[in-house]
Amino acid sequence: DQQVKQNSPSLSVQEGRISILNCDYTNSMFDYFLWYKKYPAEGPTFLISISSIKDKNEDGRFTVFLNKSAKHLSLHIVPSQPGDSAVYFCAALSNTGKLIFGQGTTLQVKP
Amino acid sequence: KAGVTQTPRYLIKTRGQQVTLSCSPISGHRSVSWYQQTPGQGLQFLFEYFSETQRNKGNFPGRFSGRQFSNSRSEMNVSTLELGDSALYLCASSLEGQAYGYTFGSGTRLTVV
Repeated sequence: DQQVKQNSPSLSVQEGRISILNCDYTNSMFDYFLWYKKYPAEGPTFLISISSIKDKNEDGRFTVFLNKSAKHLSLHIVPSQPGDSAVYFCAALSNTGKLIFGQGTTLQVKP
Repeated sequence: KAGVTQTPRYLIKTRGQQVTLSCSPISGHRSVSWYQQTPGQGLQFLFEYFSETQRNKGNFPGRFSGRQFSNSRSEMNVSTLELGDSALYLCASSLEGQAYGYTFGSGTRLTVV
């Protein structure tokens, strides 16, 4: 049972445009969400997070939006750069303290 | 400050064999968590160790086991390897186990043939 789902395996955008990566979750008890970025042959690195008491968190070009009623979060990258090409994972923090990850979305930013 | 070190980086094993993977956390970090990454499944939680004790466990068969030493280094063992165990195995360390404080290693790519 996949509690965190990233339904788009891949996304391709043009440099300078906006990238929107989506994530859905099923457990309404989740109250903290994180996004990780992963390059090939490297481990995931933390990108941005959001608590369920907020609906938006912004860090430079990266903004995460949380819609609790829809159990949906999204990561916006604007403007997108070729160096943003990577696999992006969303994750939810369970009440036992472990991270539950989605399947990942591969973002390709074309120059 | 050294990062999380995982060894070996690549490994090829035959079905039925066993394998041991190693993870050295960031100095001072006492929690080590292990994840399996496979295409289409994302990262699946295996287990977490904190101060030499398993504190959390995912839904993997008993063939998957681990341990943590007094210096916080951790090992993961998989016995009776199956083709489906081929994956990237990642470990993450944190000070006390806070998931938002995770630092991941680069992983060990295990191929079972």
